[in-house]
Amino acid sequence: QVQLVQSGAEVKKPGASVKVSCKASGYTFSSYFIHWVRQAPGQGLEWMGVINPSGSSTTYSQKFQGRVTMTRDTSTSTVYMELGSLTSEDTAVYYCAREASAHDYWGQGTLVTVSS
Amino acid sequence: QAGLTQPPSVSKDLRQTATLTCTGNSNNAGYQGAAWLQHHRGHPPKLLSDRNNNRPSGISERFSASRSGNTASLTITGLQPEDEADYYCSAWDSSLSAWVFGGGTKLTVL
Repeated sequence: QVQLVQSGAEVKKPGASVKVSCKASGYTFSSYFIHWVRQAPGQGLEWMGVINPSGSSTTYSQKFQGRVTMTRDTSTSTVYMELGSLTSEDTAVYYCAREASAHDYWGQGTLVTVSS
Repeated sequence: QAGLTQPPSVSKDLRQTATLTCTGNSNNAGYQGAAWLQHHRGHPPKLLSDRNNNRPSGISERFSASRSGNTASLTITGLQPEDEADYYCSAWDSSLSAWVFGGGTKLTVL
């Protein structure tokens, strides 16, 4: 069955970077784009960007351009999302999601807390 | 205003029907349609309907999606207590080259 398993919770200081992983299984990794979506406390869902695991092309939300990097490792079917220059506003649950005409499978979420 | 607009909250009685709306423009919902997600806090979102208004396997027939012009709708019939959740629409915006989400609708089942 399709599964996206994310790395565990992180606590970071302001100004630091965080790298979250998303390991895919149960399907052909290179056949589906992977998106990153976050939800801050009390807020809605916010799209961050997408990576094509086949060829590794990326499209980022303008809001995160220059601060986010999405990469993939085809040998382990894992996608990574690195977000830099963290502030308290980046405290959120970060999700990876597979795209097949919509976000059909989601990771369990990774809580990133930014606090001094 | 870019993005998708959803009413912040909807309340309906048990076993009644709720229709949630999502208004966009010709670059997003009116372009390739909108998908619908159900989100219970503490869990990942669940896809209820894709941009072609198709329900994934395992999603109850009580959930049905449609579109008219730039407005997408999700109808939930026979409301159950477990339907109480946040509902989001989402679409690809061709002018922004970005996925956009609506602000979400909190559905309360009375």
